[in-house]
Amino acid sequence: DGGITQSPKYLFRKEGQNVTLSCEQNLNHDAMYWYRQDPGQGLRLIYYSQIVNDFQKGDIAEGYSVSREKKESFPLTVTSAQKNPTAFYLCASSILAGVTETQYFGPGTRLLVL
Amino acid sequence: GNSVTQMEGPVTLSEEAFLTINCTYTATGYPSLFWYVQYPGEGLQLLLKATKADDKGSNKGFEATYRKETTSFHLEKGSVQVSDSAVYFCALSADRGSTLGRLYFGRGTQLTVWP
Repeated sequence: DGGITQSPKYLFRKEGQNVTLSCEQNLNHDAMYWYRQDPGQGLRLIYYSQIVNDFQKGDIAEGYSVSREKKESFPLTVTSAQKNPTAFYLCASSILAGVTETQYFGPGTRLLVL
Repeated sequence: GNSVTQMEGPVTLSEEAFLTINCTYTATGYPSLFWYVQYPGEGLQLLLKATKADDKGSNKGFEATYRKETTSFHLEKGSVQVSDSAVYFCALSADRGSTLGRLYFGRGTQLTVWP
């Protein structure tokens, strides 16, 4: 089955710790995205990548980092500089970065701070 | 700039009632418009989309028409079911430059349908 997988489903972070959220897709999509969802605030774009080895900051990139070394993978690292990381993180992909293209979402990772 | 404003919830309806969730947008150029649905604890699923003015998107009894003159994309369903209970997000897709294809989301509208 083609789709987007995110792991883990739940992730706990200690103070000062960096954690990495995994996002993998087997849809052969060029574009991938990371969103953060907080209650009542909709989705906010963290980073996006239109093609391998290239990515751009979204609206709330501070305290986060990404890499895009392979087409199917777009991991997100939440660094210790992100002071309020508790949220639901969603990864998405689309065939390419185009105005009419549909983004397909993974099941999400919930990050909690210990 | 690009932005989406959608009706604040929560919206509570009885089964078989008519549903409208309002969505208006501000955009440069010619965006595409989307409605996504999110069930508890899950990611988002595309419900419907429209890619140009006057297009109507439809799926599972839901409809929305892309109205450029009123910059709106209101979601409607003639008869809701308990299984429609979810959060609904309106979104637009940027159409140019380095932001091509990125989505701008509204805040979401929680819908609860009672039997």
